[in-house]
Amino acid sequence: EAGVTQFPSHSVIEKGQTVTLRCDPISGHDNLYWYRRVMGKEIKFLLHFVKESKQDESGMPNNRFLAERTGGTYSTLKVQPAELEDSGVYFCASSQEVRVVTEAFFGQGTRLTVV
Amino acid sequence: DQQVKQNSPSLSVQEGRISILNCDYTNSMFDYFLWYKKYPAEGPTFLISISSIKDKNEDGRFTVFLNKSAKHLSLHIVPSQPGDSAVYFCAAKGYGQNFVFGPGTRLSVLP
Repeated sequence: EAGVTQFPSHSVIEKGQTVTLRCDPISGHDNLYWYRRVMGKEIKFLLHFVKESKQDESGMPNNRFLAERTGGTYSTLKVQPAELEDSGVYFCASSQEVRVVTEAFFGQGTRLTVV
Repeated sequence: DQQVKQNSPSLSVQEGRISILNCDYTNSMFDYFLWYKKYPAEGPTFLISISSIKDKNEDGRFTVFLNKSAKHLSLHIVPSQPGDSAVYFCAAKGYGQNFVFGPGTRLSVLP
């Protein structure tokens, strides 16, 4: 069974440009999370989808970030326009919770560098 | 305000000895705790978890202990192996909520 996949693995863009990150969760997982790790520090929560609905977007830094999850399957995270401080590694994770909490499985991450 | 804390940024242990990684949390609503291991250029990999109704969970060389009254958990690795060298993240959550991660502890197992 395929794990969580993210595309691209690396992206280098100039300040002011737009970048779209994609995440394909594990098939059947209703929960999809986006996290970001900046400067090798802690993994910070951005957004949580349950199917196609945004359950919690309290971690989104500002309105330059837009996340969508079409039909409750894959998700995209768009940064427009990108700023230097947006550089970091963006992780996507998915999980399936049916009455009990379970672990989340992470993708390999997308390393975003804004220059 | 960090809800999940890992106060040791790094830890070095001799191969074959025990590694103990610690984690403290502040939110009493957390009822599920996890440890993830992360190698460079990879995503975090799930290692072991524990529900708040338990105080110990063991899986091979890995054991997680939970002390709810102290809001503290620890991960024990026995015996430690060089391949265990990685960054270890403690995480916590409540049902239906997002995972909250600590800042990580870099473990180095010396041969």
